Amino acid sequence: DTAVSQTPKYLVTQMGNDKSIKCEQNLGHDTMYWYKQDSKKFLKIMFSYNNKELIINETVPNRFSPKSPDKAHLNLHINSLELGDSAVYFCASSQDASNQPQHFGDGTRLSIL
Amino acid sequence: SQQGEEDPQALSIQEGENATMNCSYKTSINNLQWYRQNSGRGLVHLILIRSNEREKHSGRLRVTLDTSKKSSSLLITASRAADTASYFCATGSNTGKLIFGQGTTLQVKP
Repeated sequence: DTAVSQTPKYLVTQMGNDKSIKCEQNLGHDTMYWYKQDSKKFLKIMFSYNNKELIINETVPNRFSPKSPDKAHLNLHINSLELGDSAVYFCASSQDASNQPQHFGDGTRLSIL
Repeated sequence: SQQGEEDPQALSIQEGENATMNCSYKTSINNLQWYRQNSGRGLVHLILIRSNEREKHSGRLRVTLDTSKKSSSLLITASRAADTASYFCATGSNTGKLIFGQGTTLQVKP
């Protein structure tokens, strides 16, 4: 069974559209994360939730809105997509928020046309 | 802000040789972690070393940590073609965030 699963794996869309990426973990972890990896493989944290509560909110445009309906799910909605949003978005989870090892999904490759 | 800087950025070796990657960081840490990323996949956790530890082993992996120099190294012994991947260090601190380095791309030639 996949521990952290993201959908979709690929997302190709036009500038200005709104899209969502979903993430689910079956590890029973309390904490989930969204990261953005750019074309140079630099990985930057965007958001983190612990037991459905937002605990990390980096300097991200407010076009990006995370939602955690329960502690096993963390979704990312992006409004008015821009060319610079093209990247790979990774979801991850960890047992708790105390710098524990993180388990990553395989990423969603977002391409903006 | 980017915490870790890795060196070298790219490394190419023959199967059977050892590979050493280095990571330097700037602020105080609780722990330092190493991850592997295969092409087109997510990161996989390899090893965690706490700030009060100096060395840790896991199979063919050996990690050292020197907090006085704010640096860590990852040694992969007897490398295999399957070790070809990007390797990232990540520092954990009281902020609760993991800050990742820019990674070292390792190619192991059969």
